[in-house]
Amino acid sequence: QLQLQESGPGLVKPSETLSLTCAVSGVSISGPTSYCDWIRQTPGKGLEWIGTIYPDGTTSYTPSLQRRVTISVDSSNSRYTLRLTSVTAADTAVYYCARHSLSALSGVDFWGRGTLVTVSS
Amino acid sequence: QSVLTQPPSASATPGQRVTISCSGSHSNYVYWYQQFPGAAPKLLIYANSQRPSGVPDRFSGSRSGTSASLAISGLRSEDEAYYHCAGWDDTLNAPVFGGGTKLTVL
Repeated sequence: QLQLQESGPGLVKPSETLSLTCAVSGVSISGPTSYCDWIRQTPGKGLEWIGTIYPDGTTSYTPSLQRRVTISVDSSNSRYTLRLTSVTAADTAVYYCARHSLSALSGVDFWGRGTLVTVSS
Repeated sequence: QSVLTQPPSASATPGQRVTISCSGSHSNYVYWYQQFPGAAPKLLIYANSQRPSGVPDRFSGSRSGTSASLAISGLRSEDEAYYHCAGWDDTLNAPVFGGGTKLTVL
């Protein structure tokens, strides 16, 4: 059974770099029929797609964060990493990793439990 | 400000049918997620009207033009949650979301 578990520091200071990890177990989400999305949720803006890493390692990011965000994967242990530099209070959110399935048009069909990140000095 | 537009709230009494709207989607498919406070979103409807295994048939989705609707019939107290719609941005090649609707079961 697929499990996605996000982890990282709950508190980050302004201007610092946020680094989160998503541990995948049970089922691979990197293959011909699925890939990994990072999505965040803030009270004011709802759900926001951050970026995607495809099975071939290529990435795509939302334009508003493109200069600050990097998504990578360690395939040897099925861990995905999100790095966001120069954070501000506006980056305070719950961060989710999720599986995007290409099977039967299922879309983003499974989410991790999310991890709350607060940006504050 | 979200790409797709949903009403911020909806309410109904147990046993009733309630619908939640989502407008502004230009993609072929709309998705619906159910989210309880403190929990992750759960896929409820995909490809406009398909239910994943395990989702009761009390939940149904429909699509008309750039609008979509989620209907919940035979409303139960445990349906009280947030409901989010999602579509697809062909330019970004990425999902886009509505602002979410808080459903209250009176």
